[in-house]
Amino acid sequence: AQTVTQSQPEMSVQEAETVTLSCTYDTSESDYYLFWYKQPPSRQMILVIRQEAYKQQNATENRFSVNFQKAAKSFSLKISDSQLGDAAMYFCAYRSPWSRTPLVFGKGTRLSVIA
Amino acid sequence: DTEVTQTPKHLVMGMTNKKSLKCEQHMGHRAMYWYKQKAKKPPELMFVYSYEKLSINESVPSRFSPECPNSSLLNLHLHALQPEDSALYLCASSQEGPGGNTEAFFGQGTRLTVV
Repeated sequence: AQTVTQSQPEMSVQEAETVTLSCTYDTSESDYYLFWYKQPPSRQMILVIRQEAYKQQNATENRFSVNFQKAAKSFSLKISDSQLGDAAMYFCAYRSPWSRTPLVFGKGTRLSVIA
Repeated sequence: DTEVTQTPKHLVMGMTNKKSLKCEQHMGHRAMYWYKQKAKKPPELMFVYSYEKLSINESVPSRFSPECPNSSLLNLHLHALQPEDSALYLCASSQEGPGGNTEAFFGQGTRLTVV
């Protein structure tokens, strides 16, 4: 079974600075998807970024980028120019493309942004 | 349209009540899910529907009864709940088919309180 580990329960960052959230995972599959979801106090889970395992290029979405290291099974999220609205719980998630079991979540990292 | 709509947003019910949570999506997704989320925890999978058929039940107590009337709608019927069932209930959907599963899109959730 796949597992996802987020080792940082809480992180904080100054506004306009850069922060990196860590995620490692364990799988025996070669093809899979990885995601970062954001859950602000409004509670909706919002997809921040996705990465296909077969793609070597790291995904980027505006101020959000990932460092995907397939051999190391590492998938970290970098948030640049942090904004107050980035404060939220961030969940790293794994998905096998052929399994009926949907997302496997990490325990989450609570990010605080300091003005 | 990447929206998953859940109603109601908040629900308070007694332990002898019967209530239903509703979820709707119009993205053509054929997989729909119910998750339960406690505070500061990741979502826990409850049920998976694939092509309107229940494909996964994660040993959920029978006081929770899911229903998928059509490909756009998902209900969760609640009866004789316990105070420990108080939580945020999230609905999600995703594509399914030869191309493989992709990311899940989440609704805003229903905050359920059992008194």
